[in-house]
Amino acid sequence: AAGVIQSPRHLIKEKRETATLKCYPIPRHDTVYWYQQGPGQDPQFLISFYEKMQSDKGSIPDRFSAQQFSDYHSELNMSSLELGDSALYFCASSLRGPNTDTQYFGPGTRLTVL
Amino acid sequence: GENVEQHPSTLSVQEGDSAVIKCTYSDSASNYFPWYKQELGKGPQLIIDIRSNVGEKKDQRIAVTLNKTAKHFSLHITETQPEDSAVYFCAASIVNTGFQKLVFGTGTRLLVSP
Repeated sequence: AAGVIQSPRHLIKEKRETATLKCYPIPRHDTVYWYQQGPGQDPQFLISFYEKMQSDKGSIPDRFSAQQFSDYHSELNMSSLELGDSALYFCASSLRGPNTDTQYFGPGTRLTVL
Repeated sequence: GENVEQHPSTLSVQEGDSAVIKCTYSDSASNYFPWYKQELGKGPQLIIDIRSNVGEKKDQRIAVTLNKTAKHFSLHITETQPEDSAVYFCAASIVNTGFQKLVFGTGTRLLVSP
């Protein structure tokens, strides 16, 4: 079965640079979630989109923005990168509806800020 | 907001033994409780989930129990195998305008020794 696709898998940036992470949800899924996972920590919710509209917002810095496109893929844009942004970034997707909203996670993008 | 506590942080068992991981949540409105297994460098993989209208769910060697009154839920793995070694996260969902963001526990590192 098709899974969530994330690109790139690894990304190295310098401080103050920008980064764009991409997420391609499972076919037919209409909701995308972004999570950040620091070393040895649990995933922290950043933001989610349903049908191209922001549906919820968590602990996402103002330097970050995201959007969902007409083909349901999503991009997380990160500017003025800081050392503390180094983490694994996961995208998850789901299909809205009772008992179908299970979130399936992608393999993640490992961002390293030097 | 929702807070999820998870215990133990590490768990070592011998192959064939059972393993139990426990979580408590704070928000009585939470109604969906998934468990994810995360191997090193990979994304969280859903292994089982339970909704608040069910007290117990089983899938082969894995079972989850939910006590809504006490606000706690547990993962039970029987006949453990070395390939069960990983970090396990419990999570709880908060329904917010119809969309469910996940709040994770801090994770349990399970080590199954042959």
